[in-house]
Amino acid sequence: AAGVIQSPRHLIKEKRETATLKCYPIPRHDTVYWYQQGPGQDPQFLISFYEKMQSDKGSIPDRFSAQQFSDYHSELNMSSLELGDSALYFCASSPVGRETQYFGPGTRLLVL
Amino acid sequence: AQSVTQLDSHVSVSEGTPVLLRCNYSSSYSPSLFWYVQHPNKGLQLLLKYTSAATLVKGINGFEAEFKKSETSFHLTKPSAHMSDAAEYFCVVSEARGGADGLTFGKGTHLIIQP
Repeated sequence: AAGVIQSPRHLIKEKRETATLKCYPIPRHDTVYWYQQGPGQDPQFLISFYEKMQSDKGSIPDRFSAQQFSDYHSELNMSSLELGDSALYFCASSPVGRETQYFGPGTRLLVL
Repeated sequence: AQSVTQLDSHVSVSEGTPVLLRCNYSSSYSPSLFWYVQHPNKGLQLLLKYTSAATLVKGINGFEAEFKKSETSFHLTKPSAHMSDAAEYFCVVSEARGGADGLTFGKGTHLIIQP
């Protein structure tokens, strides 16, 4: 069965640079969620989109923005990167009803 | 607001013995509850979910969990541990029915399987 696809899988950036993470949901899933998991931490909800509109907002820094496109894929844009942004970033998607979220493999971001 | 407490940060069992990972939750609404597993350097895989149907939920790989509203608990069990079960386990609560999209994760329980 098709799963959530995230790209890139690994990313290395320098401080103050920008990064763009991409997420392709499971086909026919209309809701996308972004999470950040720091080293040894539990995942923290950042933001979600339903039908291309922002649905809910969690602990997303102002330096980050995200959007969902007409084909339902989503991008997380991160600017002025800081060392503390080094983490595993998960995207999840859910079908209509949004009861269960299915996670992608994550993008590991390292900021040097 | 919802919260999740995983009572043990580490659990160590011998291969072939039962596994019990404990989870308590609090929620303002009728919650949906999940257990996800994360193997080292891997993504989050859904083990099982409770969404207000049967209180005893069976998941993949022989795991099951029982929802006990009176105890606000959702403990994960497996009758016989296998070496491949070694991983980080997260108990998760959702209040999507209350309008909150984000899942709330517990701090995780690291399951160690002794040979």
